[in-house]
Amino acid sequence: AQSVTQLDSQVPVFEEAPVELRCNYSSSVSVYLFWYVQYPNQGLQLLLKYLSGSTLVESINGFEAEFNKSQTSFHLRKPSVHISDTAEYFCAVSERGYSTLTFGKGTMLLVSP
Amino acid sequence: DADVTQTPRNRITKTGKRIMLECSQTKGHDRMYWYRQDPGLGLRLIYYSFDVKDINKGEISDGYSVSRQAQAKFSLSLESAIPNQTALYFCATSGGGPNQPQHFGDGTRLSIL
Repeated sequence: AQSVTQLDSQVPVFEEAPVELRCNYSSSVSVYLFWYVQYPNQGLQLLLKYLSGSTLVESINGFEAEFNKSQTSFHLRKPSVHISDTAEYFCAVSERGYSTLTFGKGTMLLVSP
Repeated sequence: DADVTQTPRNRITKTGKRIMLECSQTKGHDRMYWYRQDPGLGLRLIYYSFDVKDINKGEISDGYSVSRQAQAKFSLSLESAIPNQTALYFCATSGGGPNQPQHFGDGTRLSIL
């Protein structure tokens, strides 16, 4: 069965600093990987996804994540964060041939001026 | 209008009461899901449905039941609410296959006194 570990429950950073949110997964088969973002009082929104092909995937607002099969990781990065990036970020995995998502426990990104 | 609509958005009720949370979608998706979110625990799957005649238990189905009234409607019931069911509940939809992202409603905040 798949599982997801987000090692950091909270990551405080200053505006314009780089950030990395870590995600590791466990699965015995090929996987699809997702990052979702949750702003206050809202549902989750898809940020980016890895399905196949290039291991580096990007979002429209400057985030990127890299699939590393040997390390079973899918870390999320942004070179320069904004106050508006303050939100909770969830990593999720689904297995090929299995049809539900398993979510990590989330990482709260706190960006301060 | 939102693609995935949850009602009510907030509900306060007493222990032992029967509660129904409703979800409707205009995305035309066959697959629908119910999750609960608790601080520090991420999202956990309660029930999911891949079409009107298909209902499946998720990770934490005890104390909950669901009804898929139509392709667009999926409701979650708490037959006899208890305080540890206090949580934020999300409905989500997706197209077919594990590589399809899920689309979330804005959630129902449920408090059981």
